[in-house]
Amino acid sequence: NAGVMQNPRHLVRRRGQEARLRCSPMKGHSHVYWYRQLPEEGLKFMVYLQKENIIDESGMPKERFSAEFPKEGPSILRIQQVVRGDSAAYFCASSPGAGANQPQHFGDGTRLSIL
Amino acid sequence: GESVGLHLPTLSVQEGDNSIINCAYSNSASDYFIWYKQESGKGPQFIIDIRSNMDKRQGQRVTVLLNKTVKHLSLQIAATQPGDSAVYFCAENNRPGTASKLTFGTGTRLQVTL
Repeated sequence: NAGVMQNPRHLVRRRGQEARLRCSPMKGHSHVYWYRQLPEEGLKFMVYLQKENIIDESGMPKERFSAEFPKEGPSILRIQQVVRGDSAAYFCASSPGAGANQPQHFGDGTRLSIL
Repeated sequence: GESVGLHLPTLSVQEGDNSIINCAYSNSASDYFIWYKQESGKGPQFIIDIRSNMDKRQGQRVTVLLNKTVKHLSLQIAATQPGDSAVYFCAENNRPGTASKLTFGTGTRLQVTL
């Protein structure tokens, strides 16, 4: 019974490059959430997606960041032209459906380092 | 904006003692709260949740208490073990009645001493 799977676990990029982070939700889960965490801080919401739709992107910067959750395949968080400030741990969570009060289950994150 | 915060950044307890981790929230409309445990290098792990129509919920060795009057949430861990050492976060649902983003507190580090 696989949990939320994220890859890669660690990603190193140089300034100006693109970063692609992947997330496969738990089986049967159709809702995906992306969060960002800086060291010694709590998680900050970025974006919430259902299959093929962005539901809430209020926490995602308007420039350079994008997210998708296609009909087939994992959800992708894409960061273009990365800068040093993008260094962080990015976590993906999933939940089963549209009902309220269902816990989000997290993957082990991708640690992005920008050189 | 609305936020969830914690009173203590670090809590040290002896093995076998009970631990109490506190959380204050500011959004009175929040109706769902979750406690997560995060170990080093891992993602947050679900511990227990509670809805706003309850004031107490128990799990295995853990109890969550909700006081809506003062907007306070606590996590009690009975007979704390070394494996309980981690950072604990409370989180709240920002949009009552729907699946939505969570707002996390800054975390409390629990250190279990032998």
